[in-house]
Amino acid sequence: QVQLQESGPGLMKPSQTLSLTCSVSGVSMNSDAHYWTWFRQQPGKGLEWIGYIHFIGTTHYNPSLQSRATISADTSKNQFSLKLASVTAADTAVYYCARDRRGSTWSFDHWGQGTLVIVSS
Amino acid sequence: SYVLTQPPSVSVAPGQTAIITCGGKNIGKKSVHWYHQKPGQAPVLLVYDDSDRPSGIPERFSGSNSGNTATLTISRVEAGDEADYYCQVWDNNSQHLVVFGGGTKLAVL
Repeated sequence: QVQLQESGPGLMKPSQTLSLTCSVSGVSMNSDAHYWTWFRQQPGKGLEWIGYIHFIGTTHYNPSLQSRATISADTSKNQFSLKLASVTAADTAVYYCARDRRGSTWSFDHWGQGTLVIVSS
Repeated sequence: SYVLTQPPSVSVAPGQTAIITCGGKNIGKKSVHWYHQKPGQAPVLLVYDDSDRPSGIPERFSGSNSGNTATLTISRVEAGDEADYYCQVWDNNSQHLVVFGGGTKLAVL
């Protein structure tokens, strides 16, 4: 079955660039017309959409993060990544990668377990 | 961007029915999805496209959507249903494509 697994630095300092990777197993990212997506959840807060990369390579971002976020894919490794520049304490969150459910209007039925990123000096 | 409004909390006794609402302007014209999230875990899709359930989700979870309110109904509530519940839509009228409600904490008394 499809599984997603995030990996990242855990602890960062302000102004650094956050780099997260989502490893996909059970399906080839190239073979399915899916939107590979990043979300985050700040401590005690709700879910926030960061952006996606489509299997053909197009990307789209939350306007509030667009200037700092970059999502890319390495299909040879069956991975996709998120880079978030110039992080601050406000970027402290659990970051999730997910895949949309085929045939639905943008619901997400496969999620990684999440990875906590703490930004602190 | 599109705004979804959920009550912060809902309380229900075991065996009773919980109703969680999600308000939005003309939300009945959109497809609404529902997730629950238990502490320390990733969200789980419960209902998609207003009222469909992924395989493995009990029939106790059902959804409806009309006018300005979408509703998630949980029948025969169990202690294990205690979680945060989120509604979500795709807003193709703005650049902010994926929108979540603020979440509702379901407390099972």
